[in-house]
Amino acid sequence: GAGVSQSPSNKVTEKGKDVELRCDPISGHTALYWYRQSLGQGLEFLIYFQGNSAPDKSGLPSDRFSAERTGGSVSTLTIQRTQQEDSAVYLCASSYLPRDSSYNEQFFGPGTRLTVL
Amino acid sequence: KNQVEQSPQSLIILEGKNCTLQCNYTVSPFSNLRWYKQDTGRGPVSLTIMTFSENTKSNGRYTATLDADTKQSSLHITASQLSDSASYICVVTGGSQGNLIFGKGTKLSVKP
Repeated sequence: GAGVSQSPSNKVTEKGKDVELRCDPISGHTALYWYRQSLGQGLEFLIYFQGNSAPDKSGLPSDRFSAERTGGSVSTLTIQRTQQEDSAVYLCASSYLPRDSSYNEQFFGPGTRLTVL
Repeated sequence: KNQVEQSPQSLIILEGKNCTLQCNYTVSPFSNLRWYKQDTGRGPVSLTIMTFSENTKSNGRYTATLDADTKQSSLHITASQLSDSASYICVVTGGSQGNLIFGKGTKLSVKP
């Protein structure tokens, strides 16, 4: 079946604008993750959704960042009033098992490259 | 503090040669350790997953080792190919909430 897909693949926006990034996880995967990867840096955890449980938002860097997951499937990451330091690749991943499972396998999407001018 | 450190930061080798990448971690409690391969412009792809009780795991020309006592892991690549050029990321699952802690990766370049 299809893997994790993300859209758009590239997004260029002006400072101060809002952006929405979309993630379509693998069908049947109950866990969904958002990460940010800045140039030369490791992946930075942003938010984790597991089924109908309250999401773990502990990685969101500021209140300008929010995410939702509708119907337990598609997720949208929204960044309000974008700043230049928000420029990065935003990666989404999904998994069948919860994150604390020993053999939890995360499948990543190709990412959205966000550039804030 | 839960951390994952990888070395070297970058590595250049000739096609056909072997290489070993290192990963040291200070994550506690420990659940598992994974190695991912990330091609330029793509999302990471899992190579191996090892739990506390596993010392080694192979995936084709990739062999990962884990020493849970010293909190070290290595990824050995045998008979490298040009397509092995990528970033290799070590990820440890652990901590109080089962979070994934990512290393910054080793950028491997295989030259003809």
